[in-house]
Amino acid sequence: SSDLTQDPAVSVALGQTVRITCQGDSLRTYYASWYQQTPGQAPVLVIYGKNIRPSGIPDRFSGATSGNTASLTITGAQADDEADYYCSSRDNSNNRLGVVFGGGTKLTVL
Amino acid sequence: QVHLRESGPGLVKPSGTLSLTCAVSGGSISSDTWWTWVRQSPGQGLEWIGEIYPSGSANYNPSLTRRVTISVDKSKNQFSLRLTSATAADTAVYYCARGTTGVTGENWIDPWGQGTLVTVSA
Repeated sequence: SSDLTQDPAVSVALGQTVRITCQGDSLRTYYASWYQQTPGQAPVLVIYGKNIRPSGIPDRFSGATSGNTASLTITGAQADDEADYYCSSRDNSNNRLGVVFGGGTKLTVL
Repeated sequence: QVHLRESGPGLVKPSGTLSLTCAVSGGSISSDTWWTWVRQSPGQGLEWIGEIYPSGSANYNPSLTRRVTISVDKSKNQFSLRLTSATAADTAVYYCARGTTGVTGENWIDPWGQGTLVTVSA
């Protein structure tokens, strides 16, 4: 199956902008989805499709794709945004349909 | 609003079978949805296990396909996971979730159940 690669850790100063990236061949075909996970909690969908936020997700979260790279941008990071972020996409390697996740990025808000 | 809840034994013996059920409320198991299982080993990232469509068509993680079966029970509005030959490496929090496919084939997973910890140990 296709792999999705994320930086293990990223930090951002409070109120600044941070971009979290995700690379993988499947992203040339499928949009990524992004999930936020805080300790002890289930993941929460924050971005899907071209750049769609589910109801209740603040508009400081946005997504983009270029080639084999998807990115999640948080504009004006808040303390509550400190969490692990995972990208995911459909995968159709070897004609077997599936889903892949990135290894996750731990975001620290300084 | 769809809500999902996992249930099943929290302890499984090595070489035994891990079995979990996900009850779906607030929506029909027969909807246009990929009912999904994801797990997370302690301190690790998310791992997709597999998914099933209401028709019974299923897709599995290639690394688990020989041991995993996902099934749907429409009469009970629930779906299930069965993982055979369990080892300590299968110790994880198991999440059930709803997968949706977009118009260009992309997939997103929402909502998620709260997760249930399954420990494989003698």
